[in-house]
Amino acid sequence: AQRVTQPEKLLSVFKGAPVELKCNYSYSGSPELFWYVQYSRQRLQLLLRHISRESIKGFTADLNKGETSFHLKKPFAQEEDSAMYYCALRRSDKVIFGPGTSLSVIP
Amino acid sequence: GAGVSQTPSNKVTEKGKYVELRCDPISGHTALYWYRQSLGQGPEFLIYFQGTGAADDSGLPNDRFFAVRPEGSVSTLKIQRTERGDSAVYLCASSREAGGLGTEAFFGQGTRLTVV
Repeated sequence: AQRVTQPEKLLSVFKGAPVELKCNYSYSGSPELFWYVQYSRQRLQLLLRHISRESIKGFTADLNKGETSFHLKKPFAQEEDSAMYYCALRRSDKVIFGPGTSLSVIP
Repeated sequence: GAGVSQTPSNKVTEKGKYVELRCDPISGHTALYWYRQSLGQGPEFLIYFQGTGAADDSGLPNDRFFAVRPEGSVSTLKIQRTERGDSAVYLCASSREAGGLGTEAFFGQGTRLTVV
């Protein structure tokens, strides 16, 4: 079965420290993976997708097919990065979400 | 331009009642998705429409749940004989087309349903 796991429900880091939000997936095929973010009192929005190989707001994520991982990283956390982060996998025409990690950046 | 709009933003209903949740997608978006998000969990897929037809309703939990999109735009999620376990935030999303690598889905703000 296709699924997405995010082992950390909560992650706290100090401002300026590196951040890594973990995501692992299981999928029989070529996966398309995303990170979505939800800031406080805002709607869920796309942060980045692996096919674009882009850096958004300083975040990057590399697809590692060998480890079936798609961890989200940022070298220096900012207070405005505090939010819920969801890793997601596209299966056919629908997107399956992980349970989410709440990131708190301490000033 | 307007984003995805969901009404009502909050709905409190009594156990056993019928509720309708509305989603107004971004104009021109042919694909529309419904998700349910329970406390502490990620969004859970319910159903997806391509145009007027439900292309995949495999996520609907049981036959109390039904959704329509009669004109290929606005969609209504209908829940009959509500139960306390139906309490959750119901999210709607739309995208320009379904599937296709890199197709981005835009989410509404959600309807928080509370069954008492």
